[in-house]
Amino acid sequence: SQQGEEDPQALSIQEGENATMNCSYKTSINNLQWYRQNSGRGLVHLILIRSNEREKHSGRLRVTLDTSKKSSSLLITASRAADTASYFCATNSGGYQKVTFGIGTKLQVIP
Amino acid sequence: EADIYQTPRYLVIGTGKKITLECSQTMGHDKMYWYQQDPGMELHLIHYSYGVNSTEKGDLSSESTVSRIRTEHFPLTLESARPSHTSQYLCASSESRNELREQYFGPGTRLTVT
Repeated sequence: SQQGEEDPQALSIQEGENATMNCSYKTSINNLQWYRQNSGRGLVHLILIRSNEREKHSGRLRVTLDTSKKSSSLLITASRAADTASYFCATNSGGYQKVTFGIGTKLQVIP
Repeated sequence: EADIYQTPRYLVIGTGKKITLECSQTMGHDKMYWYQQDPGMELHLIHYSYGVNSTEKGDLSSESTVSRIRTEHFPLTLESARPSHTSQYLCASSESRNELREQYFGPGTRLTVT
């Protein structure tokens, strides 16, 4: 079963609105990362949050982490059409030099 | 833009052919990874490497093999391609640290086996 599961699987919003995506996971983690993937391309790293952090910001991105609920959220504020992409969370668990990706949220921002 | 390259970008090939997907990075990263991703689906780790002469199988069973003779090069080989191998293959690398941090991805190779 997948370590990370994003919710919703698809999201369609108007330009200028905020987009929120959630990720749940099952086991304890070292860190959680969010990636973006444009259609047919490789992934681009957006932000990393460690297990001892609760919130992190990067530009229009805000990530929260609740280790008690084993969940994270990614908020994109003031969305733009160029934000249209799939967004994946990835968890890094102790003792492993690899991450496990979720199924992703497909975001469409309508101009 | 990450300095990690994959060739070819697209490949259509017949059943039974041997193919090698190339991946190179110029960042000096020790760790490299191969993922398989079907359209609109999650990434599955199929192989990874901690450094030269190190290769490990990933979470998803794969009939492919990899080698790591040079730090910058991590090719993936399918000895006999089958239609079930049709997918996108993504290569990634990351720095060698105690904690795994961000991965840098190549643009991917979209493979179609007819």
